[in-house]
Amino acid sequence: EDKVVQSPLSLVVHEGDTVTLNCSYEVTNFRSLLWYKQEKKAPTFLFMLTSSGIEKKSGRLSSILDKKELFSILNITATQTGDSAVYLCAVPPPVGGTSYGKLTFGQGTILTVHP
Amino acid sequence: NAGVMQNPRHLVRRRGQEARLRCSPMKGHSHVYWYRQLPEEGLKFMVYLQKENIIDESGMPKERFSAEFPKEGPSILRIQQVVRGDSAAYFCASSPVEGSRGYTFGSGTRLTVV
Repeated sequence: EDKVVQSPLSLVVHEGDTVTLNCSYEVTNFRSLLWYKQEKKAPTFLFMLTSSGIEKKSGRLSSILDKKELFSILNITATQTGDSAVYLCAVPPPVGGTSYGKLTFGQGTILTVHP
Repeated sequence: NAGVMQNPRHLVRRRGQEARLRCSPMKGHSHVYWYRQLPEEGLKFMVYLQKENIIDESGMPKERFSAEFPKEGPSILRIQQVVRGDSAAYFCASSPVEGSRGYTFGSGTRLTVV
């Protein structure tokens, strides 16, 4: 069974700090890894990573994948109070499996940014 | 283009009652997925449906839970004889094709069983 573990489970920082969130996974026939941001309601898509070593970037957020060591990190620089949210990573089923749409999520990292 | 619409946003049921959660996918999306999020946990897959078909229900509890996605109308997640342990946020997502590209979540229904 696919397994996704995130760390830390919670993190409290002050505005302007840089944070690194971790996601490790165990998936046979890896396909991709996704990051989501969940505020009070719907998870919203951040990044989809498929290749090792290629950084995806969107403003102050960036993410990279290491397929050899089976993990991904999500970096947020110059944090703002609006970054406070739960950050989730997820993996779809392995290549060749059924139901590609079924995602396995980690338990999430709760990020709190204080002014 | 409205996103994935879920209703109600909040639902309170007494133990033993039935809960019906509705999900209207984004326009043009024919694949619907239901997830449950218990307090302090990540989202857990429940069921994947296409119009009139259940594709994968490997995450559905064996009893009391059922889901449908009829030819017309929203997808429905139905929980019969609810118990306190069913209290959770239930999220629906939809996609235009099978898979995670273009996967969009609704805002969820928070079910509280009293």
